[in-house]
Amino acid sequence: GAVVSQHPSWVICKSGTSVKIECRSLDFQATTMFWYRQFPKQSLMLMATSNEGSKATYEQGVEKDKFLINHASLTLSTLTVTSAHPEDSSFYICSARDRRGRTDTQYFGPGTRLTVL
Amino acid sequence: GQNIDQPTEMTATEGAIVQINCTYQTSGFNGLFWYQQHAGEAPTFLSYNVLDGLEEKGRFSSFLSRSKGYSYLLLKELQMKDSASYLCAVRYSSGGSFIPTFGRGTSLIVHP
Repeated sequence: GAVVSQHPSWVICKSGTSVKIECRSLDFQATTMFWYRQFPKQSLMLMATSNEGSKATYEQGVEKDKFLINHASLTLSTLTVTSAHPEDSSFYICSARDRRGRTDTQYFGPGTRLTVL
Repeated sequence: GQNIDQPTEMTATEGAIVQINCTYQTSGFNGLFWYQQHAGEAPTFLSYNVLDGLEEKGRFSSFLSRSKGYSYLLLKELQMKDSASYLCAVRYSSGGSFIPTFGRGTSLIVHP
């Protein structure tokens, strides 16, 4: 399957600081990437859909000014958690849509575990 | 929202076969995925169905019936390492976008 990387894999930061998470599709171009967060023992919650060259589409209840998404190229999307607070601590996972040939599936990055102190 | 239902937990014996069911609403359907997720890790892709029928891939098979809004994931020759959460995800088309929605996952416990 396709490879999607995420960086960093984990981060600990102080309350009030901003954290940037990168998501890269390594062997394919992804015009669409998705950002999820997941709390322990719960399902994935879609935060936003990131489209290359246009503004992200946020799900209801997700603050777009707090979770800034930039999909600057066909292989990179970034999520910046601004002014992070302890309640933002979570597992953030990106995925990229692979539409090469007959394929139209979605591969996940390894996730980023954010802990806000 | 779109409701996706799958059992919360299942148990099975090593070497056996287990079937995990998933039902969903059919409006705007654009494909169904199964993922495996071990605790503390991101999901890994298992299968993708967009047409009716059975897709077989080694010990894992996935079935889809679009008219019934139903899919199942079949795991054969179960191994201890298959203990994980199995996520059913449905992609819907909405206003030109294709939105993936995940079920809550089925926690599979494989015991000796």
